[in-house]
Amino acid sequence: GNSVTQMEGPVTLSEEAFLTINCTYTATGYPSLFWYVQYPGEGLQLLLKATKADDKGSNKGFEATYRKETTSFHLEKGSVQVSDSAVYFCAFLNNAGNMLTFGGGTRLMVKP
Amino acid sequence: GAGVSQSPRYKVAKRGQDVALRCDPISGHVSLFWYQQALGQGPEFLTYFQNEAQLDKSGLPSDRFFAERPEGSVSTLKIQRTQQEDSAVYLCASSLPGSYGYTFGSGTRLTVV
Repeated sequence: GNSVTQMEGPVTLSEEAFLTINCTYTATGYPSLFWYVQYPGEGLQLLLKATKADDKGSNKGFEATYRKETTSFHLEKGSVQVSDSAVYFCAFLNNAGNMLTFGGGTRLMVKP
Repeated sequence: GAGVSQSPRYKVAKRGQDVALRCDPISGHVSLFWYQQALGQGPEFLTYFQNEAQLDKSGLPSDRFFAERPEGSVSTLKIQRTQQEDSAVYLCASSLPGSYGYTFGSGTRLTVV
C-alpha cells in the first residue's frame, strides 16, 4: 500500500552544520511530494513541495528534489540554525488530490 | 478567516464520555480534511469533505467516530464513548479544489483518562 518512510530521529546537529533527512515513498503513479514542519506548540506548516519528477522544491534555505528513479525526496539544508529545531514530516498527495499520506516525522534539534 | 481555527485547543474526557471537536476552515475553501496524530507519529487521514458531502471516510477507526459538515463550512468531529486509545491530536485542514496547499489548524489535543 501507499506509505512514506523517513529517517528516525532525533537528529542532533550543531549550528551551521549540514542537514539531510531521508524520505522515500511507495505510491501508485507520480504523486506530488511535500515537506511539512511542526514547530513546538504549533500546527503543521508547508515547508516546500515538488509536483513532478526532477522538480526541486525550496524554501528558507531548505531544498528537496523529486527523484522518480529512487522514489525519494530527501530534505537538505546547507547550514542549520537553532530556530530550525522542529519536527519535519515528508508526505505525498494521492493522484486524486484528496489524501495526504505522512511519514512518521523526524525531530531535528540544533544546538548553538 | 485568516487561518483554520480549531476548538477546543485541549480537551480532557473521561473514558466513555462523548466529545465534539470543531473546525472552522478558511472562508471559501471547499475541501476539508480531518487527521489524527498520535504522540510521536505522523498524522493519519480520517475523513474528507467537499462542501457538505463526505466523500471519503475510510480512515475513521471505528463507528464511534462521526464527522459532519452540514452547511459546507464548519465541521464537527464527534467521538462517542471515548477510549484511551483515542487520545491524540486531531488536526483539521482545508484547501481549494485542485490546490496543492493544505492549510492546517493548530489541532485539538484530546486526552482520555
